[in-house]
Amino acid sequence: QKEVEQNSGPLSVPEGAIASLNCTYSDRVSQSFFWYRQYSGKSPELIMSIYSNGDKEDGRFTAQLNKASQYVSLLIRDSQPSDSATYLCAVTHNYGQNFVFGPGTRLSVLP
Amino acid sequence: EAGVAQSPRYKIIEKRQSVAFWCNPISGHATLYWYQQILGQGPKLLIQFQNNGVVDDSQLPKDRFSAERLKGVDSTLKIQPAKLEDSAVYLCASSWGRGRGYTFGSGTRLTVV
Repeated sequence: QKEVEQNSGPLSVPEGAIASLNCTYSDRVSQSFFWYRQYSGKSPELIMSIYSNGDKEDGRFTAQLNKASQYVSLLIRDSQPSDSATYLCAVTHNYGQNFVFGPGTRLSVLP
Repeated sequence: EAGVAQSPRYKIIEKRQSVAFWCNPISGHATLYWYQQILGQGPKLLIQFQNNGVVDDSQLPKDRFSAERLKGVDSTLKIQPAKLEDSAVYLCASSWGRGRGYTFGSGTRLTVV
């Protein structure tokens, strides 16, 4: 059974701080990794994808992937109250496989 | 670009009744997914279509759930008969290729009483 694990939180950070969200996965052959943000009562929205080891930056977001250790993380710099949401990690092979989602980490950014 | 359309937004039914959900994916997206998201959990795949063929339905409770994708575009998910534990948000998503990022619809919140 392929599993994706996340700390359920809540993770509380002050406004302006760096929020660090972590995800581990069990399937060694996983190739594609995604972070989704889900506001309460809303559907998930894609914020980052990463396919290769290392860092990928997009604005205030940085995704980090380490396939040897089977973890992927998301850093949010200069956290804003509007970043308060649940962040879902999703993992898949490149082709032919659906996404396996983690349970999500609830982030709360305190003003 | 229009998003993934789903209807209805909300549905309340009694246990043992039947219910159907509809999804229209983004134009040109060949891959369509139905996910079930129970409160406090991550989405769980029910079924994946590639055009009008089923790619993965291993987690679909086939004794009560069914789904079809007519002509490779719209899709319908049906539950008959519903159980209390089916209360969840049913999310439809589409992508232009397998393994690519999804776009989710707004979901249908089902309450079974």
